[in-house]
Amino acid sequence: GAVVSQHPSWVICKSGTSVKIECRSLDFQATTMFWYRQFPKQSLMLMATSNEGSKATYEQGVEKDKFLINHASLTLSTLTVTSAHPEDSSFYICSLQTSGRADSGQETQYFGPGTRLLVL
Amino acid sequence: AQSVTQPDIHITVSEGASLELRCNYSYGATPYLFWYVQSPGQGLQLLLKYFSGDTLVQGIKGFEAEFKRSQSSFNLRKPSVHWSDAAEYFCAVDDYKLSFGAGTTVTVRA
Repeated sequence: GAVVSQHPSWVICKSGTSVKIECRSLDFQATTMFWYRQFPKQSLMLMATSNEGSKATYEQGVEKDKFLINHASLTLSTLTVTSAHPEDSSFYICSLQTSGRADSGQETQYFGPGTRLLVL
Repeated sequence: AQSVTQPDIHITVSEGASLELRCNYSYGATPYLFWYVQSPGQGLQLLLKYFSGDTLVQGIKGFEAEFKRSQSSFNLRKPSVHWSDAAEYFCAVDDYKLSFGAGTTVTVRA
């Protein structure tokens, strides 16, 4: 499977500051990456789909001006939490999707280790 | 829209005992189904996936899952649990994006 890294793994910041999280594909060129948010003891909620070279697609209820996504290359996508507030504290996870023929069933998502954000 | 339900929030099992985690899905056509495991503080690792063909799917770490269309289920099993299997397990269905179940926490007691 593909190897995905995230940086940083942990970040603590003051309320009102912006935080950038990087998601890198180490061995695969990913045209599509996903960003998820996970609250404690809960499932993953898809925030947005990041497409290389184009604007990200956000899920309903996710503020695109709050969570800026940039997918500038086939191996890097970034999520910037702008003007972070305590309610933005969460575990953020990215994933990439390997591609196959549309109906081949070979599309599989591989996940990064996650970034834990704590906003004070 | 597709969805998955994991009826069990928490399961405790003794080391060496068998484990079965339930997953039910709702989807009209043949679903693409996945099981992921998340260890504390870590991202998700793919255990196995079902797209078509043989309904009994073998995965990593000794896990297997069986797709039963008649029951709309994709239950995960392991014959003998190890302490390192303590984690959160998520079932997911793919309909152009992954939809995850709420997860099942597995505790392994010595």
